[in-house]
Amino acid sequence: DIQMTQSPSSLSASVGDRVTIICRPSQTIKNYLNWYQQKPGKAPKLLIYGVTNLQSGVPSRFSGSGSGTDFTLTISSVQPEDFATYYCQQSYRSPPTFGHGTKVEIK
Amino acid sequence: QVQLVQSGAEVKKPGSSVKVSCKTPGDTFNSYSISWARQAPGQGPEWVGGVMPMSGIVNYAQKFQGRVTITADESTATSYMELTGLKSDDTAIYYCARGPRSGTGREPYYWFDPWGQGTLVTVSS
Repeated sequence: DIQMTQSPSSLSASVGDRVTIICRPSQTIKNYLNWYQQKPGKAPKLLIYGVTNLQSGVPSRFSGSGSGTDFTLTISSVQPEDFATYYCQQSYRSPPTFGHGTKVEIK
Repeated sequence: QVQLVQSGAEVKKPGSSVKVSCKTPGDTFNSYSISWARQAPGQGPEWVGGVMPMSGIVNYAQKFQGRVTITADESTATSYMELTGLKSDDTAIYYCARGPRSGTGREPYYWFDPWGQGTLVTVSS
């Protein structure tokens, strides 16, 4: 199975800060990389698919980049509603696998 | 807004089985794959398997092969996931989630959106 490593596992940020989360798969996954946001007690929500494509309704402050084995989720100016846990997921090869998550907390 | 509605929480004994349901919008049931994933406390989601209702094709993660059965009932627009031989480390929230529309050329696990609200399965003696 393809292992997905996220860093950091947690971070603290102030409202308005730029936040960057990294995801590194154990092998190349081309551009088959998605990002999800999960708030406590809720199901994950798809934010970005295919590395760069924002799901409908997702604010433009979220963006994704990367290819191969190095991917990034960026929140350009973090807002109060963005404090949550973020997961990357590869869809290059079955079984699809997720990272362990990055918790974004309020500083 | 599409909603997937799952059955309620379950408490099971080790060695027993659990069956969780996921009701989807009836008019599009055959058009999308349904996957099941679970999430243990403090962990990322883990894909269990999925079904393509139109074809009936089912795929399971190797880890769960032989213990899991995923089905799709077109008459009720409901997918089911049954897990047998429960162990304490099967304690988790189980989610269903919709994959891409069939016929788009994308694998059924290309993305998961939306997700059901989750069903807590607790395995304890």
